[in-house]
Amino acid sequence: DGGITQSPKYLFRKEGQNVTLSCEQNLNHDAMYWYRQDPGQGLRLIYYSQIVNDFQKGDIAEGYSVSREKKESFPLTVTSAQKNPTAFYLCASSIQGAKNQPQHFGDGTRLSIL
Amino acid sequence: DAKTTQPPSMDCAEGRAANLPCNHSTISGNEYVYWYRQIHSQGPQYIIHGLKNNETNEMASLIITEDRKSSTLILPHATLRDTAVYYCIVRVARPSYLYGGATNKLIFGTGTLLAVQP
Repeated sequence: DGGITQSPKYLFRKEGQNVTLSCEQNLNHDAMYWYRQDPGQGLRLIYYSQIVNDFQKGDIAEGYSVSREKKESFPLTVTSAQKNPTAFYLCASSIQGAKNQPQHFGDGTRLSIL
Repeated sequence: DAKTTQPPSMDCAEGRAANLPCNHSTISGNEYVYWYRQIHSQGPQYIIHGLKNNETNEMASLIITEDRKSSTLILPHATLRDTAVYYCIVRVARPSYLYGGATNKLIFGTGTLLAVQP
């Protein structure tokens, strides 16, 4: 089935460590997004990519990095510079350029600090 | 993007229709109404969207008032699996190649927690 796969489902990070969250989609979507969700709050945009080899900062990009080497993949690295990384991370994708096409989400990765 | 107002919680009996309201009185003519839901510890799931006509798909129906200032999401036969937080989002769907992808970011409010009771 087509969809978005995020892994791992749960991830633990030690202080000063970088960790990478995986996001893969087989929907043939050009646009991909990373959001962060904190308890009881809405989503905040971290990074987005409209096409391979291109990505842009969202509202809270500090302490995060991404790459988009393949259309299907948009991994997110949470660096040690991110001082409050504990959150639920969501990856989404959508058709590029379409005016009203919705974004589709993966099941998320929950990151915690040890 | 227009702000939306939803009740914080609702109950519904299993097998009955669940009607979830959303007010968006400041909606502009080119803004769409989207509905997502989020089951605990999962990613948001797209349900349906519309501009001004009523819409129906295999999951739900969306009823938009004639003045477009409010809408109702209808789950015709609610099941226990429909227990989730439901989000109503109103936004302009701009082509990202013109305006940049960030204009398509989704802004989720606090939503409505629908509890389907057995």
